Amino acid sequence: QVQLQESGPGLVKPSQTLSLTCTVSGASISSGTYYWSWLRQPAGKGLEWIGRISTSGSTNYNPSLKSRVTISVDTSKNQFSLKLSSVTAADTAVYYCARSTVGANGSYYYYYMDVWGKGTTVTVSS
Amino acid sequence: SYELTQPPSVSVSPGQTASITCSGDELGDKYACWYQQTPGQSPVLVIYQDSKRPSGIPERFSGSNSGNTATLTISGTQAMDEGDYYCQAWDSSTAVFGGGTKLTVL
Repeated sequence: QVQLQESGPGLVKPSQTLSLTCTVSGASISSGTYYWSWLRQPAGKGLEWIGRISTSGSTNYNPSLKSRVTISVDTSKNQFSLKLSSVTAADTAVYYCARSTVGANGSYYYYYMDVWGKGTTVTVSS
Repeated sequence: SYELTQPPSVSVSPGQTASITCSGDELGDKYACWYQQTPGQSPVLVIYQDSKRPSGIPERFSGSNSGNTATLTISGTQAMDEGDYYCQAWDSSTAVFGGGTKLTVL
């Protein structure tokens, strides 16, 4: 059974870079047809998708965050990571990593996030 | 940018049917997913590809998507179904979420 676990500092100072890692257990991150996503949820608010990466390194980012986000993958460690630069208090949230399974309907590909980590709280404060 | 709109709240009596809608421009041309989130927990996928249920999701959860509206239907709603529900679709390789609907079972 695949499990995801987020890790990283719980407190980041304004203007610094937030760095989180998601460790995949129970399966190789390279096996199967998957994308690996980061999402976040400010307290009391809804879900926001940050971006995703394939095991080949192809990335897609939320346009609203694209200028500050970098997602990378380390297949040797079975991990993928998030870096968010120039953080402010507005970046305070629970951050989740998730697996996106890829399906195909003819020539049309679809995705769904079927495995999620438990989430990690990141607070931006001096 | 693409937007999905959900009602902020829906109430249902135990045993009755709850319907949660998600509206977006030509949403029926995309595939919709639904996620359930209970307090303090991670989201759980309950519907994908408009109407398919992942393994382990009860049959009382069903979905449809046509025109501009996707709908999550919970038949015979139970107290354990109370929580927040989010619809999600992909637009130009970007995942878009609705604002979420709080389902209250009372």
